[in-house]
Amino acid sequence: QVQLQESGPGLVQPLQTLSLTCTVSGASIGSGGYFWIWIRQLPGKGLEWIGHTGSSGDSKYTPSLKSRVVISLDTSKNHFSMSLSSVTAADTAFYYCARGRPGFSVDPWGQGALVTVSS
Amino acid sequence: EIVLTQSPGTLSLSPGERATLSCRASQSTRYLAWYQQKPGHAPRLLIHAISSRATGIPDRFSGSGSGTDFTLTISRLEPEDFAVYYCQQYDGSPAFTFGPGTTVDIK
Repeated sequence: QVQLQESGPGLVQPLQTLSLTCTVSGASIGSGGYFWIWIRQLPGKGLEWIGHTGSSGDSKYTPSLKSRVVISLDTSKNHFSMSLSSVTAADTAFYYCARGRPGFSVDPWGQGALVTVSS
Repeated sequence: EIVLTQSPGTLSLSPGERATLSCRASQSTRYLAWYQQKPGHAPRLLIHAISSRATGIPDRFSGSGSGTDFTLTISRLEPEDFAVYYCQQYDGSPAFTFGPGTTVDIK
């Protein structure tokens, strides 16, 4: 059974960099055929795809965040990470890591991590 | 970029009733999935590839449609089905997009 778990600070100062890690168990992120995705959900709002990377390290990002976000894989630790720079209060959200399947659905999801941007 | 619109925004029904949720895409898409999200939980995949149920999903959930119009049907609502439902598509430019969601609440 594949499981994902987000980890990282729950509070980030404005204009600093938000960094989260997703640890994967039950599957190897270096194996082909899957995407490794970050999605966020502002409190009480809908879902926003942030970006994803494949096992070869090729990444795609949503245009509105592209200048501030980097997603990377660490196959030796079987985890992937996201960093979002120059954060503001508008980046306060639940951040989910997830796996993108062949056919481009998303399953499974991590439980989510609430990150608050505040001084 | 393909934009997804979901209707209705809220659907108020009683247990045992049939729920019909709509998802419309601004352009034709082949990759359409549906998710259920309950308060305090991550979304859960229900349907992928328009009409295929994910592992462990009861057969009261079904997906249909093609091109730009898609439907999620819950044949008989169980108490645990009251939740928010999102559709999602992939078009590669740039990638994944989600609809705004439909809330199914108890009438």
